Amino acid sequence: DGGITQSPKYLFRKEGQNVTLSCEQNLNHDAMYWYRQDPGQGLRLIYYSQIVNDFQKGDIAEGYSVSREKKESFPLTVTSAQKNPTAFYLCASSTQQGAYGYTFGSGTRLTVV
Amino acid sequence: QKEVEQDPGPLSVPEGAIVSLNCTYSNSAFQYFMWYRQYSRKGPELLMYTYSSGNKEDGRFTAQVDKSSKYISLFIRDSQPSDSATYLCAMSEAQAGTALIFGKGTTLSVSS
Repeated sequence: DGGITQSPKYLFRKEGQNVTLSCEQNLNHDAMYWYRQDPGQGLRLIYYSQIVNDFQKGDIAEGYSVSREKKESFPLTVTSAQKNPTAFYLCASSTQQGAYGYTFGSGTRLTVV
Repeated sequence: QKEVEQDPGPLSVPEGAIVSLNCTYSNSAFQYFMWYRQYSRKGPELLMYTYSSGNKEDGRFTAQVDKSSKYISLFIRDSQPSDSATYLCAMSEAQAGTALIFGKGTTLSVSS
């Protein structure tokens, strides 16, 4: 079955650590996205990529980094510069015409301990 | 003014009720309109998709878009406890490369 796989489902980070969230899709989608979801805040766009080796900052990119070396993969690194990283992170993908809707992964819950 | 406004609720209804969920928006360039359903601790799933103005029906769900009023709605008929979830509206301009803009979501609870 085609879909998006996010891992791990739960992740714990110590203060000052960088952590990387994995996102893999086998839908042959060109575009991939990372969102952060906090209670009462809705979905906020962190980064997105329309093609391999290219990506753009979203509304809240500070403290995050991404790479897009393969079409199928779009990992997100939460750096120590992100002061409030505890949140639910969602990865999504779409055809390049993203207007036809996104397919979302099941999310990663990141907690700072 | 935020681009997309959505009442967060919560909205509580008895089983069998008709539910109306709504979003307003400010960007007249939006052409594509979607509704996503998100269960707790899960990723959103696409529920309804509409292009431009008009209605679209799928089983118990009807999506309406009124571009003149910049207003979209999702109606759920004969609501079921399994409909209890957060519903997010989303919209986009026509061009490739533009990201979806989401509302904050409305939390719905259907009691049996």
